[in-house]
Amino acid sequence: NSKVIQTPRYLVKGQGQKAKMRCIPEKGHPVVFWYQQNKNNEFKFLINFQNQEVLQQIDMTEKRFSAECPSNSPCSLEIQSSEAGDSALYLCASRKGQGRDSDYTFGSGTRLLVI
Amino acid sequence: GDSVTQKEGLVTLTEGLPVMLNCTYQTIYSNAFLFWYVHYLNESPRLLLKSSTDNKRTEHQGFHATLHKSSSSFHLQKSSAQLSDSALYYCALGSNMGYKLTFGTGTSLLVDP
Repeated sequence: NSKVIQTPRYLVKGQGQKAKMRCIPEKGHPVVFWYQQNKNNEFKFLINFQNQEVLQQIDMTEKRFSAECPSNSPCSLEIQSSEAGDSALYLCASRKGQGRDSDYTFGSGTRLLVI
Repeated sequence: GDSVTQKEGLVTLTEGLPVMLNCTYQTIYSNAFLFWYVHYLNESPRLLLKSSTDNKRTEHQGFHATLHKSSSSFHLQKSSAQLSDSALYYCALGSNMGYKLTFGTGTSLLVDP
């Protein structure tokens, strides 16, 4: 059982609909990441946070994706207008520190299907 | 920037045979940290082993890997494959470049009886 909790496990949306998923990082892990695992099983980095602040994000995230990690609430990733190409497994991971040796704890993921 | 290459997308072998999954990396930083993660279906990806020490063998749960900085490699090996080893394996690089790990494209290992 992972110490990173992701909900929901599955999400089905129509094209153009909003899709929102949540993540509770491992206790004591201030750095949170979102990855998209595509149909080729590749991990595509989307965005990361340290506490409530965005550290890095890709261009795709800036346009249709929004994410936040509010204090004392789950982190969330929301797709404003879902497209078929967004269908993927979305993985949240947390990390204890910023150091190069600090490994990730992953959640089980939210599998999004856009129909 | 940093990059990780996993040449094989799929490795299929028979139970009992040795496993070797390739991983090479590129970074401008000399103090890279390399990781192997395993992802079983319907589970969370989890850390298998990690290393930053040149030419030192790291072992966990029957798997082992040795970081060779001269060849920028961190291949994952196991002497005898088991059916339960069937999973996705990801090599990842941590460096001073940024906060995130850089992942390879993953290798799917399928072990047949």
